This record gives sequence, structure tokens and C-alpha cells, in this order.
Amino acid sequence: AQSVTQPDIHITVSEGASLELRCNYSYGATPYLFWYVQSPGQGLQLLLKYFSGDTLVQGIKGFEAEFKRSQSSFNLRKPSVHWSDAAEYFCAVPDYKLSFGAGTTVTVRA
Amino acid sequence: DAGVIQSPRHEVTEMGQEVTLRCKPISGHNSLFWYRQTMMRGLELLIYFNNNVPIDDSGMPEDRFSAKMPNASFSTLKIQPSEPRDSAVYFCASTDVSGESYNEQFFGPGTRLTVL
Repeated sequence: AQSVTQPDIHITVSEGASLELRCNYSYGATPYLFWYVQSPGQGLQLLLKYFSGDTLVQGIKGFEAEFKRSQSSFNLRKPSVHWSDAAEYFCAVPDYKLSFGAGTTVTVRA
Repeated sequence: DAGVIQSPRHEVTEMGQEVTLRCKPISGHNSLFWYRQTMMRGLELLIYFNNNVPIDDSGMPEDRFSAKMPNASFSTLKIQPSEPRDSAVYFCASTDVSGESYNEQFFGPGTRLTVL
């Protein structure tokens, strides 16, 4: 079965600094991969998705992610974090359902 | 489109009471998912419907939980009797599953359930 692992439970970053969230997948073939964001008290919103093709994927809110087959990774990045980026971020791999990672909580300090 | 609609947004009930959570998926979507989110267990898939038919209910914790989808625009998740350990945020999500494509799931805002 496909699965994803998010090694970092909590990350604190200063506003304006760069952010990188790690996601490792376990799947033999090229997977489909998603990143979702959950703001406090809200549902999950899709940030970006990778299906095939270009390994650098652009998403909403200034986020991007890079698929690296050699490292089985799909890390999420943002060059300059805003206070509104404080949220929980989930990596997910779909089958007929979504298998979510445990999530990474991002705290943004002023 | 209004997105996935869930009601109520918050529910506080006493142990032993019946709880019914409701979901209206996005029009045109053929698949609906119920998830539960807790601090301890994260996001768990409870049940998945495709074309109103339950496909996988292996995540339903026990017989106290039941879900129905009488038509393409409405689903319910019922807990009877409720217990304090059922306290969680319950999300409904919908998507259009066709062929080999994996489309994003659209999530509702969730129902925060507290069982006293």
C-alpha cells in the first residue's frame, strides 16, 4: 500500500524566512502526491498536486514542491513565510482514498 | 459552488445520546468520504462512498457508527450511542473519481463533536 511519512511534527519559523516541510513516500511506481493545508478551525485545502511531468510543482499561496524520485521525497517549500501560513500541513497519497501523513504544524513568529 | 457543506458545525451532547452529522457534497461529485480527526490518531478515513454505495467502511470504529448516502447530494454519519471517546472533528470530503485520475478531495469545514 502507498503511504507517506512526515518526519517533522512541529516547525517554528520567523516571518519572512524560508520554509521547507518534508514528505517521504513509499511506493514502487511514480505516485500521485498532494499537499494540503489546514488552518486553525478549518477544513483541509489543497495546496498543490503532482501527477507526472515537471518535478517542480507550483501551488497556491506561493508554495511549491519538488518531486525527487531518488530520495522518495516530495518536500514543500515557500521562500518567504507570512504569519498567515501558520497552519498544519499534510502530505497525502491517493489510491481510491487519501492516505495522509501525520501532519506538520507550522508556527510563525514575528 | 458553495463547496462541501456540513452541519452542524459544532455539536455538544451527553454520553448515550444519538448524534447525526450531515454532509452535502459538491454537485457532480461521485465520491464522498467521512474522516475523523483527533490529536491522538490524526486524520482517519471512516467510510468511502462511490455513486452512493459504501465501498470501504473498514475505518468505522464499531457498530455504534453508521453512515448512509440516500442520494448523490446528501450523506449522514450517525453515532448511537455516543461516548466521550467519540469527541473529535468529523470531516466530509467529496471528489469526482473517474478512470485512473486521482482528483483532489474537497473538504467541508468539519463538525466539532464533544461528547460529555
